[in-house]
Amino acid sequence: GIQVEQSPPDLILQEGANSTLRCNFSDSVNNLQWFHQNPWGQLINLFYIPSGTKQNGRLSATTVATERYSLLYISSSQTTDSGVYFCAATSGNFNKFYFGSGTKLNVKP
Amino acid sequence: DVKVTQSSRYLVKRTGEKVFLECVQDMDHENMFWYRQDPGLGLRLIYFSYDVKMKEKGDIPEGYSVSREKKERFSLILESASTNQTSMYLCASKGGRVGELFFGEGSRLTVL
Repeated sequence: GIQVEQSPPDLILQEGANSTLRCNFSDSVNNLQWFHQNPWGQLINLFYIPSGTKQNGRLSATTVATERYSLLYISSSQTTDSGVYFCAATSGNFNKFYFGSGTKLNVKP
Repeated sequence: DVKVTQSSRYLVKRTGEKVFLECVQDMDHENMFWYRQDPGLGLRLIYFSYDVKMKEKGDIPEGYSVSREKKERFSLILESASTNQTSMYLCASKGGRVGELFFGEGSRLTVL
């Protein structure tokens, strides 16, 4: 299977700051998603982005499939952005998802 | 919006009890999944189902079974709960071949 690596593992920000989270994958992917796990444990969908760029409010994501990475941008961070951000990918088998180990974000007021 | 609903957010069971975790999705998705999440181990696939009555083992199926009698419902069964099955259980569903994965709220199970 593919390797999915996220960086940084931990990130502390002051409210209002911007950040970039990275997801590297070791092979071509046919699905790439970003999730936010809230303090109650639910994984919330942020982006379905196997290639290209998408924006949703203060969040945006870019996947460069040919270079095997995806970036999640958070602008003007808020305390409610705190939590763990995961990327997940499939490669070949559309039902086999490989998850990164996550980036734990702490936004301080 | 896709809605994936798990029956219980928190459960406490005793060793040896039979445990049922229920998951229902409202988007007519063919594919449904059960994962468990543990600190340091990430998300691991227990079972998934690609159609009614169809199932495939994931990475860690030992100690678990599943049931999918209706398309919208996927149940995870712990036949005889053990303390090492204390975990966060996450149900997910996906429509079609290349579709977006959606998760339920999660069920935190503690086995005493």
